[in-house]
Amino acid sequence: AQTVTQSQPEMSVQEAETVTLSCTYDTSENNYYLFWYKQPPSRQMILVIRQEAYKQQNATENRFSVNFQKAAKSFSLKISDSQLGDTAMYFCAFMRGANDMRFGAGTRLTVKP
Amino acid sequence: DTEVTQTPKHLVMGMTNKKSLKCEQHMGHRAMYWYKQKAKKPPELMFVYSYEKLSINESVPSRFSPECPNSSLLNLHLHALQPEDSALYLCASSQDVGSSETQYFGPGTRLLVL
Repeated sequence: AQTVTQSQPEMSVQEAETVTLSCTYDTSENNYYLFWYKQPPSRQMILVIRQEAYKQQNATENRFSVNFQKAAKSFSLKISDSQLGDTAMYFCAFMRGANDMRFGAGTRLTVKP
Repeated sequence: DTEVTQTPKHLVMGMTNKKSLKCEQHMGHRAMYWYKQKAKKPPELMFVYSYEKLSINESVPSRFSPECPNSSLLNLHLHALQPEDSALYLCASSQDVGSSETQYFGPGTRLLVL
């Protein structure tokens, strides 16, 4: 079975600073996909960034980037120049197939002014 | 347009009621999903529809009955629910079923069973 672990239940960061959210996963598969989703308070969940396991290059989307370490089964999310609108619950997710989308427990991030 | 819509936004029902949740997408996606999310927990997969056919049922109790009338619509029929079924019900869609497909989520229906 695949499991996803987010070891930081809550984090906070000052506006304009950088924060890194950690995620580790356990799998015996070689081909899979990893995602970070953001769920703001009382708002819908949106995709932040995705990474294909077969790609060595780390994915980047504007202020969001990942550090993907396949051998270590680690997939951390770095948010640069944090903004108040980044305050949300962040879920790391692993997917190998349609019925194999596993979410971590989530990290609640608060950006402070 | 990457929008998945869900109605209603909130629903309160008694244990003897019958109600339905609705989900709609117009992105031409052929896979649709129902998730259940309890407070401060991650979403848990309930059902997967692929090309309007139920492909995955994650051992969900029969008091939850999904229906896919067409490729844009997904319903979840509720009957004889229990208070522990109170949760946020999320619908999602993706281009197809597969590990490379990004899922797009709706805003959810917040359900309270009394």
